[in-house]
Amino acid sequence: DQQVKQNSPSLSVQEGRISILNCDYTNSMFDYFLWYKKYPAEGPTFLISISSIKDKNEDGRFTVFLNKSAKHLSLHIVPSQPGDSAVYFCAASRGLNAGNNRKLIWGLGTSLAVNP
Amino acid sequence: EAQVTQNPRYLITVTGKKLTVTCSQNMNHEYMSWYRQDPGLGLRQIYYSMNVEVTDKGDVPEGYKVSRKEKRNFPLILESPSPNQTSLYFCASSPSGLSRQETQYFGPGTRLLVL
Repeated sequence: DQQVKQNSPSLSVQEGRISILNCDYTNSMFDYFLWYKKYPAEGPTFLISISSIKDKNEDGRFTVFLNKSAKHLSLHIVPSQPGDSAVYFCAASRGLNAGNNRKLIWGLGTSLAVNP
Repeated sequence: EAQVTQNPRYLITVTGKKLTVTCSQNMNHEYMSWYRQDPGLGLRQIYYSMNVEVTDKGDVPEGYKVSRKEKRNFPLILESPSPNQTSLYFCASSPSGLSRQETQYFGPGTRLLVL
């Protein structure tokens, strides 16, 4: 049962336009959300995060929005650049469990293609 | 350069032949973790370690062993690999594993094929 869902396996946008990547979650205990970017033959790299006490976090061209009532978050990339072409993973964390393991629960990823 | 390294990057083996995938980080991180990535299932945690000599199971530990004798190294051991362990494996580390604001740093991945 997928607790973090990225329903769009792929997305294609024109360079300079906005990219919007969506993520839904089912577990209301999640308190921290992260986006990672992954290029082929590389490991995921951290992009941006948001705490459940906020509804928006911005870092340069990247903004993450969190709608807790809808259990939905989105990543906006403005303007999109060809170098942004990668797989984007949404991940969620629900705090320390019995093992003190801040485990991340991952979505399946959305492959973004930014066309010149 | 701060990094997590994994070796080998690609491995083809046969059922039952013991293998080890090494993971090393140079950031003095206390927390290390192994994930496997499979189509339709995403990244799932295999084992993690909060510090030297402290390891525990993740979500899918069956068929795997780990050890943490030194802070920088966290090898993944498959004592008797089976075809269902064919996957893409990632090692990750973070400073302590306790703070929600910590970033996990990932290695480049090891693609394993078990025949």
